[in-house]
Amino acid sequence: EAGVTQSPTHLIKTRGQQATLRCSPISGHTSVYWYQQALGLGLQFLLWYDEGEERNRGNFPPRFSGRQFPNYSSELNVNALELEDSALYLCASARDTNEKLFFGSGTQLSVL
Amino acid sequence: AQSVTQLDSHVSVSEGTPVLLRCNYSSSYSPSLFWYVQHPNKGLQLLLKYTSAATLVKGINGFEAEFKKSETSFHLTKPSAHMSDAAEYFCVVSPGYSSASKIIFGSGTRLSIRP
Repeated sequence: EAGVTQSPTHLIKTRGQQATLRCSPISGHTSVYWYQQALGLGLQFLLWYDEGEERNRGNFPPRFSGRQFPNYSSELNVNALELEDSALYLCASARDTNEKLFFGSGTQLSVL
Repeated sequence: AQSVTQLDSHVSVSEGTPVLLRCNYSSSYSPSLFWYVQHPNKGLQLLLKYTSAATLVKGINGFEAEFKKSETSFHLTKPSAHMSDAAEYFCVVSPGYSSASKIIFGSGTRLSIRP
């Protein structure tokens, strides 16, 4: 069974640009979560999608947004990039909303 | 309100010696508690999970954790460290009722193994 896949593995952008990160959940999982892991910090919850709808978002500005497609894959978009957006962005999927999370390997975003 | 505190940002042990990674939590509900491991350049992997069954939880790779409600702790242990255990470990608390959007991750403990 394929795990959660994220692309790209690395992404380099400059300040003010936009970044798009992609995530494909495990087959059969309808919930997708996005987390930001900045250097030295724990994982910070960003967004939760389930059945194509945004269910909850963390304490991040509106320039962090995303969507979930009918096949349950998801995109995270970060507009007007700032230096402090440099982080590892992890996607996770789950079959049930209070069940085990399966994480992807992450996208390392570097903002120069 | 929920919170989780990993008491050590970095732990270094010699190969073959015991590992102890400490975690304290607070939760208004009966929480679920998890330990995840993150190896360099890899995604997070679930080590073990506590959900109000047995207080001693056995996980993968010889790790186990004991839920102590009186101490609000969920420390991770392993009797004998292996070089491959070097990684970042996250203690996680989730409320008993709802979604992974309420999950709180600790700040992580980096485990180093000395030969």
